[in-house]
Amino acid sequence: EVQLVESGGGLVKPGGSLRLSCAASGFTFSSYSMNWVRQAPGKGLEWVSSISSSSSYIYYADSVKGRFTISRDNAKNSLYLQMNRLRAEDTAVYYCAKDRPGMALWGQGTLVTVSS
Amino acid sequence: DIVMTQSPDSLAVSLGERATINCKSSQTLLYNANNRNYLAWYQQKPGQSPKLLIHWASARESGVPDRFSGSGSGTDFTLTISSLQAEDVAVYYCQHYYNTPLTFGGGTKVEIK
Repeated sequence: EVQLVESGGGLVKPGGSLRLSCAASGFTFSSYSMNWVRQAPGKGLEWVSSISSSSSYIYYADSVKGRFTISRDNAKNSLYLQMNRLRAEDTAVYYCAKDRPGMALWGQGTLVTVSS
Repeated sequence: DIVMTQSPDSLAVSLGERATINCKSSQTLLYNANNRNYLAWYQQKPGQSPKLLIHWASARESGVPDRFSGSGSGTDFTLTISSLQAEDVAVYYCQHYYNTPLTFGGGTKVEIK
């Protein structure tokens, strides 16, 4: 089955860290750029970061630059997002999404809550 | 950064009637080298992840009903649902992929009148 499954979300204190994972299956993961997109509770969609198929090109939203790091392991069909120095405004559901053009496949999302 | 502005914020349409959602970008999304508009439309039903409906402004994804259509070029785009069905109740987003940062419109909530 073609799918993306995120994990690693949870409750973390401001200033803390979390590492999100996204497991891909059913398609040739190494052929596609991947994205992280987040959605704060009751709000719209916000692009967070993108990584090219071979990790040669990496991009971040200004709101996370210097705090978040995107990476991938094509051998493990996995995408990651290391999130450091978390803030309350980072509270959101985080989705991984396959690029194609347009984000053609989305995971179910993982909730990150930043609160003391 | 390219700003994406959607209108209206919400609309209520009777079953079987047409729904039209507009999306305007602050810069052209038309890349002259390939004559393609770098614009996608998504549908997000309550409690679900977004689903890609249309890319290249007017190319419908496989499996998307043909009542959904995208049009426009440059900076002005439209998503049309030709005959609204109950299962089309959702929030719809436009998104550009012309450059980074990728940005989404604010969303349009479609309801049944």
